[in-house]
Amino acid sequence: EPEVTQTPSHQVTQMGQEVILRCVPISNHLYFYWYRQILGQKVEFLVSFYNNEISEKSEIFDDQFSVERPDGSNFTLKIRSTKLEDSAMYFCASSEAGASYNEQFFGPGTRLTVL
Amino acid sequence: KNEVEQSPQNLTAQEGEFITINCSYSVGISALHWLQQHPGGGIVSLFMLSSGKKKHGRLIATINIQEKHSSLHITASHPRDSAVYICAVTRTGNQFYFGTGTSLTVIP
Repeated sequence: EPEVTQTPSHQVTQMGQEVILRCVPISNHLYFYWYRQILGQKVEFLVSFYNNEISEKSEIFDDQFSVERPDGSNFTLKIRSTKLEDSAMYFCASSEAGASYNEQFFGPGTRLTVL
Repeated sequence: KNEVEQSPQNLTAQEGEFITINCSYSVGISALHWLQQHPGGGIVSLFMLSSGKKKHGRLIATINIQEKHSSLHITASHPRDSAVYICAVTRTGNQFYFGTGTSLTVIP
């Protein structure tokens, strides 16, 4: 069964460093998403991406964040200058159609630890 | 302000019990999703619904649009059902609004 994959599973970085989290969505899906979950808190929407551009973003997704689909398979989340409060689990998801019409398939997550 | 509220926050049940988790939302929605988050962190989509009722195995999800309320039922609960169950809604776009989750523990 096709699945969303994410790498790395755990990333440790120093405050101020740039990190890139990678995701490979399911191949025939057209919508891609990033979410984060701070330890002990609820899952939060960051951004949705369709047709090579951001379709929606939350207030969390500020200028420090960017997303890219550099080739036909990868979908990346970049954090330019990490802060301690960026420590969280980051989930990628994809769906065939928009979130109002289709279930989403989630990756296993990347745990980001900022020291 | 939470657009999505779930109850209870925590639930412990004996194996075999019938379980109900509730979700209320305060905004107009286009769809409601029930998700399951395993102890290891992985998230699985259980249901997406915009009206009525859906059933998958021992899981049943219902939604009442007028009352802005949804329920997730688990029949004949089993220890492997132990997980966090999350209600999330979408409005006109693709942004999810998540509830805080209900942590379910089923004791053998």
